[in-house]
Amino acid sequence: QQPVQSPQAVILREGEDAVINCSSSKALYSVHWYRQKHGEAPVFLMILLKGGEQKGHDKISASFNEKKQQSSLYLTASQLSYSGTYFCGTEAGNQFYFGTGTSLTVIP
Amino acid sequence: DGGITQSPKYLFRKEGQNVTLSCEQNLNHDAMYWYRQDPGQGLRLIYYSQIVNDFQKGDIAEGYSVSREKKESFPLTVTSAQKNPTAFYLCASTGTVVNQPQHFGDGTRLSIL
Repeated sequence: QQPVQSPQAVILREGEDAVINCSSSKALYSVHWYRQKHGEAPVFLMILLKGGEQKGHDKISASFNEKKQQSSLYLTASQLSYSGTYFCGTEAGNQFYFGTGTSLTVIP
Repeated sequence: DGGITQSPKYLFRKEGQNVTLSCEQNLNHDAMYWYRQDPGQGLRLIYYSQIVNDFQKGDIAEGYSVSREKKESFPLTVTSAQKNPTAFYLCASTGTVVNQPQHFGDGTRLSIL
């Protein structure tokens, strides 16, 4: 049930772009994205509800391909504050499953 | 301000001891969740509750117990049967309408003495 994310880890220089992918073996009806700083609680970024939906704020956006059971998170012109672990998540019945996580480190 | 309060922030458990982690929310959310996070790992669901006086096991419920006597409160007890309790524990809540974001507390870090 747990979505699989790739890559597991990525290191970027400030200003570079990154893509984080989230894939599920089960049908995805919605996808959440969260960011967690070390030692802190995850913070909600966005939710995508429909296949083909794209959302974004600031320089972080996401897409949802319902047919492929995938979602991607796009970080453009990365900033130091983007560092953290990114999780996708999906609801299945009354449960919620977080993805395996992607550690993103932005260096000067 | 509405939010979720977890306490304590740090907790130490002795061998054979049960310990209880507190989670209180004033968001008027019906659903509450407990997750365990090991270092460098993702979040794994321990228990969840959709309404008062009802809760279900998640993927790793063994060695844990919960209660939901009030809408605002969802305490987690780590029993002596949980042989490897050292982890970061996160409580979350969400509204009953589907596709709502999860709101998290600040977590409790549990270690064995």
